[in-house]
Amino acid sequence: DIVMTQSPDSLALSLGERATINCKSSQSVLYTSINQSYLSWYQQKPGQPPKLLIYWASTRQSGVPDRFSGSGSGTDFTLTISSLQAEDVAVYYCQQYYNTPWTFGQGTKVEIK
Amino acid sequence: QVHLQQWGAGLLKPSETLSLTCAVYGDSFNFNYWSWIRQPPGKGLEWIGEINHAGNTNYNPSLKSRATISIDTSNNQFALKLTSVTAADTGVYYCAKGGSTSWNRRYNWFGPWGQGILVTVSS
Repeated sequence: DIVMTQSPDSLALSLGERATINCKSSQSVLYTSINQSYLSWYQQKPGQPPKLLIYWASTRQSGVPDRFSGSGSGTDFTLTISSLQAEDVAVYYCQQYYNTPWTFGQGTKVEIK
Repeated sequence: QVHLQQWGAGLLKPSETLSLTCAVYGDSFNFNYWSWIRQPPGKGLEWIGEINHAGNTNYNPSLKSRATISIDTSNNQFALKLTSVTAADTGVYYCAKGGSTSWNRRYNWFGPWGQGILVTVSS
């Protein structure tokens, strides 16, 4: 199985600050034939199902605010929230879809300081 | 717009079989895989398995063959059965739309998701 490891486990920032969440895969999830990384990001607010934010490591899902961005390739990825808003309080997960079983990171909890 | 609605029993005794169903509205089964994912209380997400319109399935080996996913294309529904449940199977169970195939390779992000059902296993 591909193991996904996120860091940090939690972070607390002030409104308007930049949030950076890292995700590392135990093996490359880059499909070199098309130069795409098989990596997605989700946001889960309390009591709700996860919501897809980003796929192909950097493509924003329709309707997702542009303060959310994804970057990285191969084994190292980053989700950035450029200016933290109150409604961004949530747990964020990365997920690889390079190989089954599809696997998720352990989650990163984002709070307001 | 795609919408998934799920239902099933929320309280089970150890050794019983978990049974959940997910109905898909506003989309066709024909081009995607459809998954079940679970989340133990206060913990992360675990993919259980998936099915496509042809009935092709993939499962997470961690479930040790206890999971079976089936599909009813006439009603746009798919279902999960998990046998011999224990307290470790307690959690919220989600259904979700998965991916398909492109460039001769599967791609599989999840979205949208069902509302989730809390399943508790307790004697």
